[in-house]
Amino acid sequence: NAGVMQNPRHLVRRRGQEARLRCSPMKGHSHVYWYRQLPEEGLKFMVYLQKENIIDESGMPKERFSAEFPKEGPSILRIQQVVRGDSAAYFCASSPQEPISGYTFGSGTRLTVV
Amino acid sequence: GENVEQHPSTLSVQEGDSAVIKCTYSDSASNYFPWYKQELGKGPQLIIDIRSNVGEKKDQRIAVTLNKTAKHFSLHITETQPEDSAVYFCAPYQAGTALIFGKGTTLSVSS
Repeated sequence: NAGVMQNPRHLVRRRGQEARLRCSPMKGHSHVYWYRQLPEEGLKFMVYLQKENIIDESGMPKERFSAEFPKEGPSILRIQQVVRGDSAAYFCASSPQEPISGYTFGSGTRLTVV
Repeated sequence: GENVEQHPSTLSVQEGDSAVIKCTYSDSASNYFPWYKQELGKGPQLIIDIRSNVGEKKDQRIAVTLNKTAKHFSLHITETQPEDSAVYFCAPYQAGTALIFGKGTTLSVSS
């Protein structure tokens, strides 16, 4: 039973390009969460999704960032027109029901904007 | 929203000593209290959690205690080992939201 799969592990983008981060939740998990972690900092909540539905996007920047979790396929976090400040580790987690059942995290995608 | 604070931010102990990390939260509606461990270059991993109807839970060298009246819960690690060195996060939870993490405590265990 594979865990939460994130790809790519490392992503380098030039300023102004688009970054697409993918997350496949654990089998049987229908809730997905995205977090951003800057160096030496904690995990900042970005967005909480269920299949075809955004539950809470209160942590998402208003511009350039979007997320989806389609009926088929992985969840996608998209960052348009990346800037240097977007450089961070992005972690995805999944849970079978609500967060009270505990999260399983992926290994993260490290985005570097040059 | 939930205000979460962890103390201390860094903690250095000798191998074999005990370590205690405290997490305070603001929302009395919180009803689930997990602790996560993050090793360098990896994603966080759930190590222990407690529900609001329980005061203490233990799993080998790790324990969590909850004081709902005072709105804090603590992680206790006994007989620390070098492999316990990591960043630890608390994430008190209330229904209908995602987990909101504290800023983390960096634990260093020296042999």
